[in-house]
Amino acid sequence: AQSVAQPEDQVNVAEGNPLTVKCTYSVSGNPYLFWYVQYPNRGLQFLLKYITGDNLVKGSYGFEAEFNKSQTSFHLKKPSALVSDSALYFCAVRDSLWGTYKYIFGTGTRLKVLA
Amino acid sequence: EAQVTQNPRYLITVTGKKLTVTCSQNMNHEYMSWYRQDPGLGLRQIYYSMNVEVTDKGDVPEGYKVSRKEKRNFPLILESPSPNQTSLYFCASSPGQGVAQETQYFGPGTRLLVL
Repeated sequence: AQSVAQPEDQVNVAEGNPLTVKCTYSVSGNPYLFWYVQYPNRGLQFLLKYITGDNLVKGSYGFEAEFNKSQTSFHLKKPSALVSDSALYFCAVRDSLWGTYKYIFGTGTRLKVLA
Repeated sequence: EAQVTQNPRYLITVTGKKLTVTCSQNMNHEYMSWYRQDPGLGLRQIYYSMNVEVTDKGDVPEGYKVSRKEKRNFPLILESPSPNQTSLYFCASSPGQGVAQETQYFGPGTRLLVL
């Protein structure tokens, strides 16, 4: 069975400091991993994904994430946080098993960047 | 403009009164999904479709129906809504599977209240 865990409901960070939003996963096959962001009263927007290849993935707005197979993690990072990064972040996983399109999302982590 | 549209955006109804939430995409995407978002639970996939006339259950399909009679539309049907279906609903579409295509584009959401 697939599962995703985002252990922190909220992360607070000062503007200009590095940020990390954690995500761990469990799948039967090879994972496809994603980060999405939701700004207030908006739909979700794609940030980045890991399908195959380089374990370090770079995405939109200066965000990056590292796929760590041994720790089954896909933490989201940014070197220098902006107040405008404040939003709700979701990690998602899909098992690469062909023939299905089942997605599992985490419960979300609210990022608050303090000026 | 490439987009996923949902209607209505807000809906208040009563228990047992059938309703349909429409979803349409203008990007010629193969795959479409419905999700519900609830506080503390994140997003949960209700149904997905990998092609016209091909639909399958996600994690929480009970009480919902879908159809995919044409590529662009993927309506969500609640035959007999109950208060526990009060939620924020999102439709999403993606080009397909594979490295370049595995990105979901989300609609703006439909907020449903069942009394």
